[in-house]
Amino acid sequence: GDSVTQMEGPVTLSEEAFLTINCTYTATGYPSLFWYVQYPGEGLQLLLKATKADDKGSNKGFEATYRKETTSFHLEKGSVQVSDSAVYFCALSDAGISSGSARQLTFGSGTQLTVLP
Amino acid sequence: DTGVSQDPRHKITKRGQNVTFRCDPISEHNRLYWYRQTLGQGPEFLTYFQNEAQLEKSRLLSDRFSAERPKGSFSTLEIQRTEQGDSAMYLCASTKKMNTEAFFGQGTRLTVV
Repeated sequence: GDSVTQMEGPVTLSEEAFLTINCTYTATGYPSLFWYVQYPGEGLQLLLKATKADDKGSNKGFEATYRKETTSFHLEKGSVQVSDSAVYFCALSDAGISSGSARQLTFGSGTQLTVLP
Repeated sequence: DTGVSQDPRHKITKRGQNVTFRCDPISEHNRLYWYRQTLGQGPEFLTYFQNEAQLEKSRLLSDRFSAERPKGSFSTLEIQRTEQGDSAMYLCASTKKMNTEAFFGQGTRLTVV
């Protein structure tokens, strides 16, 4: 079945440091890929998405590129802020349609990011 | 505020009791999903509805679990004869049918003692 593997956390960085959170996936067909973020006390929010190979999703300074050849979707940000402290989840959708509203999302286990001032 | 409401936010129950959770999706979202999230893990899919029809159920959804969405609006998730292993965060999400992001509620945290 489909699966998502994320780098284990927690990750602690100083403000303005470079961030990479690794994500690899296993899926049949052509999944869409997502990064969700969960701030303390809040629900999951979609951060960015990519629907086909070589697409780059971006939002709030975060980027991730859909790499079919390496089955990866690593999250990056050039300069993190304290307000980026949250749990980040990589996910895929199991249908070949370009949205997060496919039949279901398969999530990784999450990576806790703490940014220190 | 994502617009998806879940009630209650927290529930503590004794083993063997029945519990029911409610989810109110964003108005006019015709797809509704339930997920379960245990500590340190990502959400796991349980079931989803398109309007009032329950279209898919995960193997995680044992016979003790039942979900309904009677009028295609709010949904309930009931767990009968709760077990300690049912302790988790239960998340609800809603979407329009195609090409929109999934909006998640804040979840209901269940503790079975």
